[in-house]
Amino acid sequence: GAVVSQHPSWVICKSGTSVKIECRSLDFQATTMFWYRQFPKQSLMLMATSNEGSKATYEQGVEKDKFLINHASLTLSTLTVTSAHPEDSSFYICSASFFASGYNEQFFGPGTRLTVL
Amino acid sequence: EDKVVQSPLSLVVHEGDTVTLNCSYEVTNFRSLLWYKQEKKAPTFLFMLTSSGIEKKSGRLSSILDKKELFSILNITATQTGDSAVYLCAVGNTGNQFYFGTGTSLTVIP
Repeated sequence: GAVVSQHPSWVICKSGTSVKIECRSLDFQATTMFWYRQFPKQSLMLMATSNEGSKATYEQGVEKDKFLINHASLTLSTLTVTSAHPEDSSFYICSASFFASGYNEQFFGPGTRLTVL
Repeated sequence: EDKVVQSPLSLVVHEGDTVTLNCSYEVTNFRSLLWYKQEKKAPTFLFMLTSSGIEKKSGRLSSILDKKELFSILNITATQTGDSAVYLCAVGNTGNQFYFGTGTSLTVIP
């Protein structure tokens, strides 16, 4: 399968700081990238969908001013958690997808564990 | 409303047992159904299914899709402790949106 990387794999920060997470598709061009968060023992919660060169589409309840998504190229998307607070501590996972021959696949990055003190 | 439902929510079996995990869906403009295995980190891809009745196999794992009855099953034979994980089912539509089930937590006891 295709490879998606995420950086950093974990980060600890103080309350009020901003944290940027990068998601890269290493061996394919992703038409779409997705950002999820996952709390312990829960399933993936989609935060936003981002297509290269256009604004991200946020799910209901996700603050676009707090979770800034930039999808500058077909291989890179970034999620910035602005003014992070302890309740933002979570596991953030990106995935990348591309259409091919009438079907779609989605490949996940390894995730970023964010802890806000 | 589009949704994906997985059952059972959790399962505990002994090594060597065979398990069947279920995924039913109601998603308009269906394109594909995907199975993932999630251990401590992000999900890893297992199978993608697009056509009914064609079984996909990988070692002890196999999966099949029924587009008429709107469900898929994931079978694991001769389970091992390394199979312990959460198994996620996701359905993608023609708009490249994905809907995830809540997962089935499988625990294999030695």
